[in-house]
Amino acid sequence: RKEVEQDPGPFNVPEGATVAFNCTYSNSASQSFFWYRQDCRKEPKLLMSVYSSGNEDGRFTAQLNRASQYISLLIRDSKLSDSATYLCVVTRMDSSYKLIFGSGTRLLVRP
Amino acid sequence: EAGVTQFPSHSVIEKGQTVTLRCDPISGHDNLYWYRRVMGKEIKFLLHFVKESKQDESGMPNNRFLAERTGGTYSTLKVQPAELEDSGVYFCASSLLDRGANYGYTFGSGTRLTVV
Repeated sequence: RKEVEQDPGPFNVPEGATVAFNCTYSNSASQSFFWYRQDCRKEPKLLMSVYSSGNEDGRFTAQLNRASQYISLLIRDSKLSDSATYLCVVTRMDSSYKLIFGSGTRLLVRP
Repeated sequence: EAGVTQFPSHSVIEKGQTVTLRCDPISGHDNLYWYRRVMGKEIKFLLHFVKESKQDESGMPNNRFLAERTGGTYSTLKVQPAELEDSGVYFCASSLLDRGANYGYTFGSGTRLTVV
């Protein structure tokens, strides 16, 4: 079983739609949580950190449920430029803060 | 500020040959990481340098892979001899010593390695 599980998608949504991605992690020692964005044939880029209290950055909202070991990302008012692969990423307290990646969820926003 | 630089951007080599990938981290970043994504799989950790010391090399697949970071500046990752399953995209990332994952790493654009 993978340590970080994501639905690979693709999620195909119209512009302006709201879309939500979920992620589960198996290691309860996981310490920090992130969403990264990766465009085709590009490097991953940090989208946002995820906190238990929930956090918002513009159209993006991230939530963490430590009890359920579940992370979510909500994108409101989708733009064409949001089309990308969204990577759920965790770190563990027992590691050198190396990132543990999910396989990613692909989002396609259509006109 | 220059970002994390990797080269070559692409490399196609024959099975059994040697390839050396290079990563130049952001100046002053003591943490340097190597990651790899093989086709159809998630990005996976290979190893972590703090300055010139290997902090964690638990992700290195086997002894055909050798990473160095002489002088604590740039790093090289050598694959010798290369096998078909080594094909993938190799990413390097760096961060300041006191700023671990919580602030996110800066990734290089990767080296796409194809072994034929």
